[in-house]
Amino acid sequence: RKEVEQDPGPFNVPEGATVAFNCTYSNSASQSFFWYRQDCRKEPKLLMSVYSSGNEDGRFTAQLNRASQYISLLIRDSKLSDSATYLCVVTAQGAGSYQLTFGKGTKLSVIP
Amino acid sequence: NAGVTQTPKFRVLKTGQSMTLLCAQDMNHEYMYWYRQDPGMGLRLIHYSVGEGTTAKGEVPDGYNVSRLKKQNFLLGLESAAPSQTSVYFCASSGTSGDTDTQYFGPGTRLTVL
Repeated sequence: RKEVEQDPGPFNVPEGATVAFNCTYSNSASQSFFWYRQDCRKEPKLLMSVYSSGNEDGRFTAQLNRASQYISLLIRDSKLSDSATYLCVVTAQGAGSYQLTFGKGTKLSVIP
Repeated sequence: NAGVTQTPKFRVLKTGQSMTLLCAQDMNHEYMYWYRQDPGMGLRLIHYSVGEGTTAKGEVPDGYNVSRLKKQNFLLGLESAAPSQTSVYFCASSGTSGDTDTQYFGPGTRLTVL
């Protein structure tokens, strides 16, 4: 089983839509979870960390289910500027806590 | 405050040539990382450093060497480039431990090996 799995998409949604991305991870010992955003031909940037209790940042909501080893990202009221690839990131298996494993990403295109 | 910078931005090499990629950060971060990103593969860790003078292997270290002589710089070397090393290379840094601190990425180096 791959360490971090994501639906590659692409997700094509109209402006204003709500879209959800899912991610599963294989390392039950992972302690830290993140969503990164990567624009075309640019570097990844942290979107938000994911906490056990769930957390929200404006239109973005992240959820973590440790029992199912599942992470989600919900984007409400999608904007054209949300078009990007979203990377699910977890602490690397068997590594020091400073190593992260990245999913391959889910591509989102928001359409006018 | 420039964050993380990488030089060069683009490079074309012939098989067997060598080159060094330079990463610099001005955030006084202890940890630095080199990743490669290939289509359909996601980001993979090549080497990392937990402090000046220290380096360690990541997931895909073969064919690469690194050095961290100064805290702010992390160099990635290709001794004898191969077409399989055609990729986008990202450097990143973080403050203390990557599971609590954000990793900040440089803009990347696009390398083509012919």
